Amino acid sequence: NAGVMQNPRHLVRRRGQEARLRCSPMKGHSHVYWYRQLPEEGLKFMVYLQKENIIDESGMPKERFSAEFPKEGPSILRIQQVVRGDSAAYFCASSRASRSSTDTQYFGPGTRLTVL
Amino acid sequence: AQSVTQLDSQVPVFEEAPVELRCNYSSSVSVYLFWYVQYPNQGLQLLLKYLSGSTLVKGINGFEAEFNKSQTSFHLRKPSVHISDTAEYFCAVSGLMDSSYKLIFGSGTRLLVRP
Repeated sequence: NAGVMQNPRHLVRRRGQEARLRCSPMKGHSHVYWYRQLPEEGLKFMVYLQKENIIDESGMPKERFSAEFPKEGPSILRIQQVVRGDSAAYFCASSRASRSSTDTQYFGPGTRLTVL
Repeated sequence: AQSVTQLDSQVPVFEEAPVELRCNYSSSVSVYLFWYVQYPNQGLQLLLKYLSGSTLVKGINGFEAEFNKSQTSFHLRKPSVHISDTAEYFCAVSGLMDSSYKLIFGSGTRLLVRP
């Protein structure tokens, strides 16, 4: 039973390029969450998605960041025109079918983004 | 709004010694509380969670935590650690109301177990 998959595990981009981070939830899970961890800080919520719907994007920066979870395929976190401050670890989590935090979120290994 | 404080960024301890990792939270509402562990190059794994009921919560790998509402704490303990417990430990909270899915994490404590 594969866990949450994220790829790539490491991503290096130059300033101004685009970064695409992928997340495949656990089998049977239809809820996906993205978190960002800046150096020396805890994980911070970015966005919560269900299939084809963004439920809560209150943690997403207003510009350059977008997320989707299409009917088929993985969830994608897209960062356009990256800047050095985007360098961080990006974690994806998935849960089964509930919006409640009593439903455990299972985390992937993260994508470490480095912007040169 | 909720926040979580993990005062110790690193805790070194000898193998088979007891350990306590501290977590304090602030919130104007009741909360759910969690401890996650992250082993090197892996995702976060849930150790235990407090939702309601008994304030002493037992988790995997011999860990337990106690919810103390008056002190707004949720410290993690293990009576005897192993080398394999070396990892990063994150405390997290979420509110009970809307947006309860939104986990708020502390900055983490690195547990370093020495032989």
